[in-house]
Amino acid sequence: DAKTTQPNSMESNEEEPVHLPCNHSTISGTDYIHWYRQLPSQGPEYVIHGLTSNVNNRMASLAIAEDRKSSTLILHRATLRDAAVYYCILRAFTSGTYKYIFGTGTRLKVLA
Amino acid sequence: DGGITQSPKYLFRKEGQNVTLSCEQNLNHDAMYWYRQDPGQGLRLIYYSQIVNDFQKGDIAEGYSVSREKKESFPLTVTSAQKNPTAFYLCASSIDSTGSSYEQYFGPGTRLTVT
Repeated sequence: DAKTTQPNSMESNEEEPVHLPCNHSTISGTDYIHWYRQLPSQGPEYVIHGLTSNVNNRMASLAIAEDRKSSTLILHRATLRDAAVYYCILRAFTSGTYKYIFGTGTRLKVLA
Repeated sequence: DGGITQSPKYLFRKEGQNVTLSCEQNLNHDAMYWYRQDPGQGLRLIYYSQIVNDFQKGDIAEGYSVSREKKESFPLTVTSAQKNPTAFYLCASSIDSTGSSYEQYFGPGTRLTVT
């Protein structure tokens, strides 16, 4: 099964950009890359997703390597509210349905 | 407001008892999911349902059971056969499970402690 690898933790200063890396070297051609974030004792919240091209939305940007073996979530200006665990997830099509394959995530600490 | 509700937020049970966790959604989503999360870990899929009256085992279904009698509801029963039931349980839904890019919406979770 494809899997993702992320650093356990990262730190950023408030109002500075943050680049959260993810490796997914065994990704298949049909797997989508999704990012979610999770605050303590809450359910994960969708951030962004993509397949091959870079993507932007109001929360973040997603940069996908040309060979799709890695991706980077970019928060343009980190705020204290962005402190969370960020999960890079592969959305794989298996047994007639799409399933999420979660890694262990990166805990982002934002310093005031 | 549309969303997913899970109740209760905290649940305590004695070992050997079955317990049912509630999950309700008013998003009109076809697909629903149950995940388990252990401390410091990512989420693992227990069961999922693509449509009413149908459900499939996920990666760690042993010791769990589900039903999907209504579109809005997908309760999870943690049976006494589950060896390590203490965990954070998350329910999610999506428009469907075959769309190529649909995101999942998660509930707030139920923290189950079995002693």
